[in-house]
Amino acid sequence: QTVVTQEPSFSVSPGGTVTLTCGLSSGSVSTGYYPTWYQQTPGQAPRTLIYNTNTRSSGVPDRFSGSILGNKAALTITGAQADDESDYYCLLYMGSGAWVFGGGTKLTVL
Amino acid sequence: EVQLVESGGGLVQPGGSLRLSCAASGFTFSTYSMNWVRQAPGKGLEWLSDITSSSSSMYYADSVKGRFTISRDNAKNSLYLQMSSLRAEDTAVYYCARRSAVVTWFDYWGLGTLVTVSS
Repeated sequence: QTVVTQEPSFSVSPGGTVTLTCGLSSGSVSTGYYPTWYQQTPGQAPRTLIYNTNTRSSGVPDRFSGSILGNKAALTITGAQADDESDYYCLLYMGSGAWVFGGGTKLTVL
Repeated sequence: EVQLVESGGGLVQPGGSLRLSCAASGFTFSTYSMNWVRQAPGKGLEWLSDITSSSSSMYYADSVKGRFTISRDNAKNSLYLQMSSLRAEDTAVYYCARRSAVVTWFDYWGLGTLVTVSS
């Protein structure tokens, strides 16, 4: 079974730029997987940041951007802020009615 | 305003069954595919199941296939998840989520209901 891979943790300085990635244990992520990125803080439901690879969800600041970098989907945060400290999950559509979440990245801003 | 409210969670013994519900409002429920996603304590999100708008197709993750059944009642604007043969590893917060009509992503989520499987 294909595993969706994310960095378990990442750290960024306030004002800095960080790129989180979402890959596959076998193969490359393309736009055909419709990569979606969610932000989740403890005790809350996930919040959509990016869908369809690079479309920002309503109300999401433009310092969040999505792309394909090499063989992975990527979420870039430019000008990180303290309240960006959260867990970030990617979601890929695997076809045939199945979706898989990545294991999540815990982002620390310090 | 789109709202999804899960209910039915609680404590159940291993091997037991439980039925979760998700009440939808603020949109035309009968035109959207719906999903269940769970999150074990301290763990990541796990997609479980999808059902199309007319219930013509249902899909399941391997981890729950044969044990969980997704269904819906469009007249009641409700989504369900019947869970059986429950195991300790099924302990999680269970979310219902609406699948976007335009592109393949989950655009609205409920707040979740906690299911605890323990003796």
